[in-house]
Amino acid sequence: EAGVTQSPTHLIKTRGQQATLRCSPISGHTSVYWYQQALGLGLQFLLWYDEGEERNRGNFPPRFSGRQFPNYSSELNVNALELEDSALYLCASSAPGHLYEQYFGPGTRLTVT
Amino acid sequence: QQQVKQSPQSLIVQKGGISIINCAYENTAFDYFPWYQQFPGKGPALLIAIRPDVSEKKEGRFTISFNKSAKQFSLHIMDSQPGDSATYFCAPPGWYSGAGSYQLTFGKGTKLSVIP
Repeated sequence: EAGVTQSPTHLIKTRGQQATLRCSPISGHTSVYWYQQALGLGLQFLLWYDEGEERNRGNFPPRFSGRQFPNYSSELNVNALELEDSALYLCASSAPGHLYEQYFGPGTRLTVT
Repeated sequence: QQQVKQSPQSLIVQKGGISIINCAYENTAFDYFPWYQQFPGKGPALLIAIRPDVSEKKEGRFTISFNKSAKQFSLHIMDSQPGDSATYFCAPPGWYSGAGSYQLTFGKGTKLSVIP
Protein backbone atom coordinates (compact mmCIF):
# COMPACT_ATOMS: atom_id res chain seq x y z
CA GLU A 1 0.00 0.00 0.00
CA ALA A 2 1.44 3.34 -1.02
CA GLY A 3 1.91 5.90 1.71
CA VAL A 4 1.19 9.60 1.67
CA THR A 5 3.14 11.33 -1.09
CA GLN A 6 4.06 14.98 -1.36
CA SER A 7 5.55 17.09 -4.10
CA PRO A 8 7.85 18.78 -4.64
CA THR A 9 10.46 17.63 -2.15
CA HIS A 10 12.09 21.02 -2.07
CA LEU A 11 10.84 24.41 -3.17
CA ILE A 12 12.76 27.66 -3.24
CA LYS A 13 10.84 30.88 -3.67
CA THR A 14 11.46 34.57 -3.36
CA ARG A 15 9.69 36.75 -0.83
CA GLY A 16 6.33 37.92 -2.21
CA GLN A 17 5.90 34.96 -4.57
CA GLN A 18 3.32 32.20 -4.31
CA ALA A 19 4.01 28.55 -3.51
CA THR A 20 1.87 25.51 -4.29
CA LEU A 21 2.45 22.24 -2.46
CA ARG A 22 0.71 18.97 -3.33
CA CYS A 23 -0.33 15.90 -1.36
CA SER A 24 -1.78 12.51 -2.26
CA PRO A 25 -3.31 10.60 0.67
CA ILE A 26 -3.31 6.89 1.28
CA SER A 27 -5.95 5.11 -0.78
CA GLY A 28 -9.22 5.02 1.15
CA HIS A 29 -8.35 7.98 3.34
CA THR A 30 -10.72 10.90 3.01
CA SER A 31 -9.18 13.41 5.43
CA VAL A 32 -6.07 15.42 4.69
CA TYR A 33 -4.24 17.62 7.18
CA TRP A 34 -1.53 20.17 6.60
CA TYR A 35 1.07 21.06 9.24
CA GLN A 36 3.95 23.48 9.35
CA GLN A 37 7.12 22.30 11.06
CA ALA A 38 9.46 25.18 11.69
CA LEU A 39 12.72 24.70 13.52
CA GLY A 40 12.19 24.39 17.25
CA LEU A 41 8.43 24.88 17.09
CA GLY A 42 7.13 21.36 16.69
CA LEU A 43 4.23 20.79 14.34
CA GLN A 44 1.67 23.55 13.95
CA PHE A 45 -1.75 22.62 12.60
CA LEU A 46 -2.62 24.50 9.42
CA LEU A 47 -5.66 23.04 7.66
CA TRP A 48 -7.98 20.04 7.69
CA TYR A 49 -9.90 18.85 4.63
CA ASP A 50 -12.46 16.08 4.64
CA GLU A 51 -14.62 14.89 1.76
CA GLY A 52 -13.64 17.92 -0.30
CA GLU A 53 -14.55 20.47 2.35
CA GLU A 54 -12.33 22.63 4.53
CA ARG A 55 -13.29 21.56 8.05
CA ASN A 56 -10.99 23.80 10.03
CA ARG A 57 -7.87 25.90 10.00
CA GLY A 58 -5.25 26.76 12.58
CA ASN A 59 -3.90 30.14 13.65
CA PHE A 60 -2.47 31.10 10.29
CA PRO A 61 -3.26 34.11 8.11
CA PRO A 62 -5.62 33.82 5.11
CA ARG A 63 -2.71 33.79 2.67
CA PHE A 64 -2.40 30.13 3.64
CA SER A 65 -5.15 28.34 1.77
CA GLY A 66 -5.80 25.10 -0.01
CA ARG A 67 -8.30 22.72 -1.41
CA GLN A 68 -9.12 19.04 -1.67
CA PHE A 69 -9.94 17.47 -5.00
CA PRO A 70 -12.57 14.78 -5.75
CA ASN A 71 -9.85 12.11 -5.63
CA TYR A 72 -9.00 13.36 -2.09
CA SER A 73 -5.63 14.74 -3.07
CA SER A 74 -4.93 18.22 -1.79
CA GLU A 75 -2.88 21.27 -2.44
CA LEU A 76 -1.66 23.98 -0.13
CA ASN A 77 -1.17 27.49 -1.48
CA VAL A 78 0.86 30.12 0.29
CA ASN A 79 0.54 33.61 -1.15
CA ALA A 80 2.75 36.63 -0.60
CA LEU A 81 5.54 34.52 0.83
CA GLU A 82 7.45 35.85 3.82
CA LEU A 83 10.85 34.77 5.08
CA GLU A 84 9.29 33.19 8.17
CA ASP A 85 7.25 30.85 5.96
CA SER A 86 10.44 28.85 5.44
CA ALA A 87 9.68 25.48 7.01
CA LEU A 88 8.89 21.84 6.36
CA TYR A 89 5.26 21.45 5.32
CA LEU A 90 3.81 18.09 6.20
CA CYS A 91 0.69 16.50 4.88
CA ALA A 92 -1.11 13.71 6.74
CA SER A 93 -4.16 11.62 5.95
CA SER A 94 -6.57 9.53 7.97
CA ALA A 95 -9.30 7.02 7.27
CA PRO A 96 -12.97 7.73 7.98
CA GLY A 97 -13.66 7.44 11.70
CA HIS A 98 -9.96 7.45 12.60
CA LEU A 99 -9.23 11.15 12.69
CA TYR A 100 -6.43 10.87 15.22
CA GLU A 101 -4.55 8.07 13.47
CA GLN A 102 -2.75 10.23 11.03
CA TYR A 103 -0.20 9.03 8.50
CA PHE A 104 2.33 11.58 7.37
CA GLY A 105 4.11 12.16 4.11
CA PRO A 106 7.82 13.07 3.93
CA GLY A 107 7.10 16.78 3.63
CA THR A 108 8.01 19.63 1.32
CA ARG A 109 10.90 21.83 2.40
CA LEU A 110 9.98 25.41 1.48
CA THR A 111 12.74 27.99 1.53
CA VAL A 112 11.89 31.65 1.07
CA THR A 113 14.78 33.94 0.19
CA GLN B 1 -1.51 27.97 22.90
CA GLN B 2 0.84 25.66 24.77
CA GLN B 3 -1.24 22.81 26.15
CA VAL B 4 1.40 20.13 25.97
CA LYS B 5 4.89 20.24 27.48
CA GLN B 6 7.44 17.64 26.56
CA SER B 7 10.67 16.91 28.39
CA PRO B 8 13.53 16.61 28.01
CA GLN B 9 14.30 18.51 24.81
CA SER B 10 17.17 16.17 24.07
CA LEU B 11 18.32 12.87 25.49
CA ILE B 12 21.48 10.84 25.08
CA VAL B 13 21.31 7.18 26.10
CA GLN B 14 23.80 4.35 25.88
CA LYS B 15 22.86 1.36 23.77
CA GLY B 16 20.89 -1.07 25.89
CA GLY B 17 19.73 1.62 28.29
CA ILE B 18 16.22 2.91 29.00
CA SER B 19 15.00 6.11 27.37
CA ILE B 20 12.21 8.00 29.13
CA ILE B 21 10.34 10.92 27.61
CA ASN B 22 7.60 12.75 29.45
CA CYS B 23 4.59 14.70 28.28
CA ALA B 24 2.55 16.95 30.58
CA TYR B 25 -0.83 18.22 29.48
CA GLU B 26 -3.34 20.76 30.75
CA ASN B 27 -6.50 19.94 28.86
CA THR B 28 -8.40 17.17 30.62
CA ALA B 29 -10.49 16.68 27.49
CA PHE B 30 -7.57 14.76 26.01
CA ASP B 31 -8.68 11.18 25.64
CA TYR B 32 -6.13 9.68 23.31
CA PHE B 33 -2.42 9.81 23.93
CA PRO B 34 -0.14 9.00 20.99
CA TRP B 35 3.58 9.19 20.48
CA TYR B 36 5.03 9.90 17.06
CA GLN B 37 8.56 9.09 15.90
CA GLN B 38 10.32 11.17 13.27
CA PHE B 39 13.59 10.31 11.56
CA PRO B 40 15.59 13.04 9.77
CA GLY B 41 14.14 13.75 6.35
CA LYS B 42 10.95 11.83 7.05
CA GLY B 43 7.49 12.68 8.25
CA PRO B 44 6.38 11.64 11.75
CA ALA B 45 5.03 8.11 12.13
CA LEU B 46 2.57 6.93 14.75
CA LEU B 47 4.57 4.79 17.18
CA ILE B 48 2.20 3.84 19.98
CA ALA B 49 -0.95 5.24 21.56
CA ILE B 50 -3.02 4.74 24.71
CA ARG B 51 -6.51 5.65 25.89
CA PRO B 52 -6.99 6.78 29.51
CA ASP B 53 -8.98 3.72 30.55
CA VAL B 54 -5.68 1.86 30.95
CA SER B 55 -2.54 2.97 32.81
CA GLU B 56 0.02 1.24 30.64
CA LYS B 57 0.43 -0.19 27.16
CA LYS B 58 3.39 -2.12 25.87
CA GLU B 59 4.37 -2.86 22.28
CA GLY B 60 7.70 -4.59 21.98
CA ARG B 61 10.37 -2.38 23.52
CA PHE B 62 8.04 0.64 23.67
CA THR B 63 5.75 1.32 26.65
CA ILE B 64 3.37 4.16 27.34
CA SER B 65 2.53 4.82 30.98
CA PHE B 66 -0.29 7.15 31.86
CA ASN B 67 -0.75 9.08 35.12
CA LYS B 68 -4.15 10.73 35.01
CA SER B 69 -3.86 12.48 38.40
CA ALA B 70 -0.56 14.06 37.43
CA LYS B 71 -1.76 14.81 33.90
CA GLN B 72 1.28 13.14 32.44
CA PHE B 73 2.08 10.33 30.11
CA SER B 74 5.46 8.91 29.33
CA LEU B 75 7.20 6.92 26.64
CA HIS B 76 9.71 4.31 27.80
CA ILE B 77 12.07 2.69 25.32
CA MET B 78 13.66 -0.41 26.78
CA ASP B 79 16.97 -1.77 25.49
CA SER B 80 17.48 1.39 23.42
CA GLN B 81 19.21 0.87 20.08
CA PRO B 82 21.06 3.27 17.77
CA GLY B 83 18.19 2.79 15.29
CA ASP B 84 15.88 4.41 17.83
CA SER B 85 17.73 7.70 17.39
CA ALA B 86 15.00 10.05 16.24
CA THR B 87 12.79 12.88 17.43
CA TYR B 88 9.75 11.84 19.45
CA PHE B 89 6.55 13.85 19.76
CA CYS B 90 3.59 13.42 22.05
CA ALA B 91 0.42 14.59 20.32
CA PRO B 92 -2.78 14.28 22.34
CA PRO B 93 -5.84 15.69 20.61
CA GLY B 94 -7.46 18.50 22.47
CA TRP B 95 -9.89 21.30 21.87
CA TYR B 96 -8.11 23.70 19.60
CA SER B 97 -9.80 27.06 20.01
CA GLY B 98 -8.15 28.49 16.92
CA ALA B 99 -9.59 25.69 14.82
CA GLY B 100 -12.88 25.22 16.63
CA SER B 101 -12.42 21.49 16.77
CA TYR B 102 -10.33 18.76 18.28
CA GLN B 103 -6.91 18.52 16.67
CA LEU B 104 -3.71 16.70 17.46
CA THR B 105 -1.65 18.99 19.67
CA PHE B 106 2.02 18.23 19.18
CA GLY B 107 4.71 18.78 21.78
CA LYS B 108 7.94 20.42 20.66
CA GLY B 109 9.71 17.10 20.44
CA THR B 110 12.53 15.24 22.15
CA LYS B 111 15.63 14.43 20.16
CA LEU B 112 16.91 11.02 21.25
CA SER B 113 20.44 9.92 20.47
CA VAL B 114 21.40 6.36 21.31
CA ILE B 115 25.16 5.91 21.31
CA PRO B 116 26.81 2.51 20.76
